[in-house]
Amino acid sequence: EIVLTQSPGTLSLSPGERATLSCRASQSVSSSYLAWYQQKPGQAPRLLIYGASSRATGIPDRFSGSGSGTDFTLTISRLEPEDFAVYYCQQYGSSPRAFGGGTKVEIK
Amino acid sequence: EVQLVESGGGLVQPGGSLRLSCAASGFTFSSYWMTWVRQAPGKGLEWVANINQHGSEKNYVDSVKGRFTISRDNAKNSLYLQMNSLRAEDTAVYYCARDLYYDGFDIWGQGTMVTVSS
Repeated sequence: EIVLTQSPGTLSLSPGERATLSCRASQSVSSSYLAWYQQKPGQAPRLLIYGASSRATGIPDRFSGSGSGTDFTLTISRLEPEDFAVYYCQQYGSSPRAFGGGTKVEIK
Repeated sequence: EVQLVESGGGLVQPGGSLRLSCAASGFTFSSYWMTWVRQAPGKGLEWVANINQHGSEKNYVDSVKGRFTISRDNAKNSLYLQMNSLRAEDTAVYYCARDLYYDGFDIWGQGTMVTVSS
């Protein structure tokens, strides 16, 4: 079973700054089957990135994903007010399709 | 409009049962894997189970194996989660999602709350 560890737990930044979120897997994620989701309070998660680096439909290009093997990164190039939320990584290359514990991006 | 709508949540006593439903619309339901994800109050996301297009392949997280059963009715465009022997730790919002299998979970419902308490 693959365990995903996200860091940091909380990221305090100002609008316009760059956000870098990390997701580390306990073993290699096959074929880069790694996704990132955004969740705002009281809402369902939204798919941002799949295949480690492909943006989902309608996702702005300020969101980018990178990485392979066991180390993955979500980068938000310039934070907009609507980007302050919790972000989860998820591997779906093997069962169970585990999520990481999440990183909260909060306004500094 | 592509949409998933969950129902069936509520308050149940420990050891009890509940059946969740997820109604799909706006896409060809029978062409997709489907999945259930839950989120305990104030906690992160936990993948629960998924099912293939025909209902012939099902996968579960270890904590629900033998207690939960995922199923679907393609004629009714509906996904189900039968939950038996419920425990306090099953208390969560349960989301259904369209599972692209190789491309993540792209469509999510609004969730239905399940509370297990005496």
